[in-house]
Amino acid sequence: QSVLTQPPSVSGAPGQRVTISCTGSSSNIGAGYDVHWYQQLPGTAPKLLMYANSNRPSGVPDRFSGSKSGTSASLAITGLQAEDEADYYCQSYDSSLSWVFGGGTKLTVL
Amino acid sequence: QVQLQESGPGLVKPSQTLSLTCTVSGGSVSSGSYYWSWIRQPAGKGLEWIGRIYSSGSTNYNPSLKSRVTISVDTSKNQFSLKLSSVTAADTAVYYCARRLGGTYFFDYWGQGTLVTVSS
Repeated sequence: QSVLTQPPSVSGAPGQRVTISCTGSSSNIGAGYDVHWYQQLPGTAPKLLMYANSNRPSGVPDRFSGSKSGTSASLAITGLQAEDEADYYCQSYDSSLSWVFGGGTKLTVL
Repeated sequence: QVQLQESGPGLVKPSQTLSLTCTVSGGSVSSGSYYWSWIRQPAGKGLEWIGRIYSSGSTNYNPSLKSRVTISVDTSKNQFSLKLSSVTAADTAVYYCARRLGGTYFFDYWGQGTLVTVSS
């Protein structure tokens, strides 16, 4: 079981909006550490999608947005596209365990 | 453009030591700006941070693996390495090397990953 909790799967039709949650605790997200998100396409390495809660690296479409509140964070994807179908992982820092990840969420585009 | 490439045996016997190397190109492991990590992912499962090294050689390990992990750096070859001892089937995973900029808490560049299977 991962330190950060994510829903195993989410789905949406093309053009729709989906959100992926990431829940932590008082030793990681709740302690003020930022949340970062990675996108992992099938058979590839994770790719940085969002850093420091709501910042997109160069090249990431603005259809992706992130937020953080309390012990949780969320990744939102609007205008869903077939190419968004992937696994998404949240990551933070834990004061006792160092770098921690969520279990991953599989996004299916219907 | 920084590139990281993992290499090493794809099959390791139980109780033996897993050894992997990450070769960095387009950047230097000697740079004082970055930390270099190993992360693994069992098939169909999530990511687990194993540990990291700085150019000075200072290390930090996941407490759950600390007793079995050693990470080292070879600045002359622009590489850093992972050794995981006393492996079991539970250590079967894709192993990634990754870079983190000092002062940040995320991994901005990753290797493509290498599958290591622990089996007799």
